[in-house]
Amino acid sequence: AQSVAQPEDQVNVAEGNPLTVKCTYSVSGNPYLFWYVQYPNRGLQFLLKYITGDNLVKGSYGFEAEFNKSQTSFHLKKPSALVSDSALYFCAVRPGGATNKLIFGTGTLLAVQP
Amino acid sequence: EADIYQTPRYLVIGTGKKITLECSQTMGHDKMYWYQQDPGMELHLIHYSYGVNSTEKGDLSSESTVSRIRTEHFPLTLESARPSHTSQYLCASSPTGGGGYTFGSGTRLTVV
Repeated sequence: AQSVAQPEDQVNVAEGNPLTVKCTYSVSGNPYLFWYVQYPNRGLQFLLKYITGDNLVKGSYGFEAEFNKSQTSFHLKKPSALVSDSALYFCAVRPGGATNKLIFGTGTLLAVQP
Repeated sequence: EADIYQTPRYLVIGTGKKITLECSQTMGHDKMYWYQQDPGMELHLIHYSYGVNSTEKGDLSSESTVSRIRTEHFPLTLESARPSHTSQYLCASSPTGGGGYTFGSGTRLTVV
């Protein structure tokens, strides 16, 4: 079965420190990979995506993600966390092939302490 | 500006009432989706549509129904609301051929 895993329910980091939110996947074909962020009582906002090309993708608000095909991972990173980065982060994968439905991970709550 | 809109943002309603959650997009996307998100955070796909007059049930069984009479409009209806329907409902759309989803701001439904 095709799946996306976010192994950490919550990540805690101090402001100014680097952060990583993990995502691994198991899907067929060459996937499209996405990260979304959700603030309280809001919808999901697009952060970044990987389709092809450079494995390091840069996105909104200083976030970046690295596609690692051998490890089937797409971890979200930021060099220096801000308190305002505290939110819920979702990884999503669109499997290769005709389907267009995204498969979402279960979400990781990022808490940045001042 | 092209976007996706959900109304109402918040709704508190009594058990047994019929409700319709509205979702409209001005991006010309063919594909639209409804997700249910519980306090446990996980997203559950309950309905999707790949075009006008096309609707499918998602991965999570839902007592709600949807319609897609116009490309831009994808309303979700609950004929008889129950407390178990209390949740946040998110609408999304995507273009043909792939790419990501654009989400609305969501409707937080409380059934009392």
